[in-house]
Amino acid sequence: GQNIDQPTEMTATEGAIVQINCTYQTSGFNGLFWYQQHAGEAPTFLSYNVLDGLEEKGRFSSFLSRSKGYSYLLLKELQMKDSASYLCAVRDNAGNMLTFGGGTRLMVKP
Amino acid sequence: KAGVTQTPRYLIKTRGQQVTLSCSPISGHRSVSWYQQTPGQGLQFLFEYFSETQRNKGNFPGRFSGRQFSNSRSEMNVSTLELGDSALYLCASRRTGDEQYFGPGTRLTVT
Repeated sequence: GQNIDQPTEMTATEGAIVQINCTYQTSGFNGLFWYQQHAGEAPTFLSYNVLDGLEEKGRFSSFLSRSKGYSYLLLKELQMKDSASYLCAVRDNAGNMLTFGGGTRLMVKP
Repeated sequence: KAGVTQTPRYLIKTRGQQVTLSCSPISGHRSVSWYQQTPGQGLQFLFEYFSETQRNKGNFPGRFSGRQFSNSRSEMNVSTLELGDSALYLCASRRTGDEQYFGPGTRLTVT
């Protein structure tokens, strides 16, 4: 089975940097995804890691360590519009099924 | 390219009734997955269909079922609705190996 943990809530200040951690224990692994979900909206894809290391995409970066079962999403130069839930998800070995963590609700304050 | 569409967007049903939700994937996407999202349980995987065949199934009772048509459109059905079935039901489509693209969801309220 899959077990994915991430903090429930985080607060940060506009313009700052925030790191959202995700740890996982899975019976199979074929990639880790991060999604952003604004209240009342569908999740939107942010990043994908399948190999160890850092993937950078503009203000957002995601890191993966497979040996530690650990990932983080780094958000730089925070903006008010970044207030949302951030979902970590692991894909199974067959590459078909995503298991999501409970999500981290990020509140960005002025 | 049009995104994933789901109908209806909102639905109110009574306990004991059944409901059918529809999902049209992005053109060219053959995989469709369904998820249930509630405040308490988060996003939980229901099932995935690929080429009209159920490929994976989550840990939900048999009251939850689905199917996929030859044009990749998918439906999910929930029979004998319970209050706890109130949730946002999300559909996601993808090409094989790529990330999933989510539809706007159907918000189901069971009274």
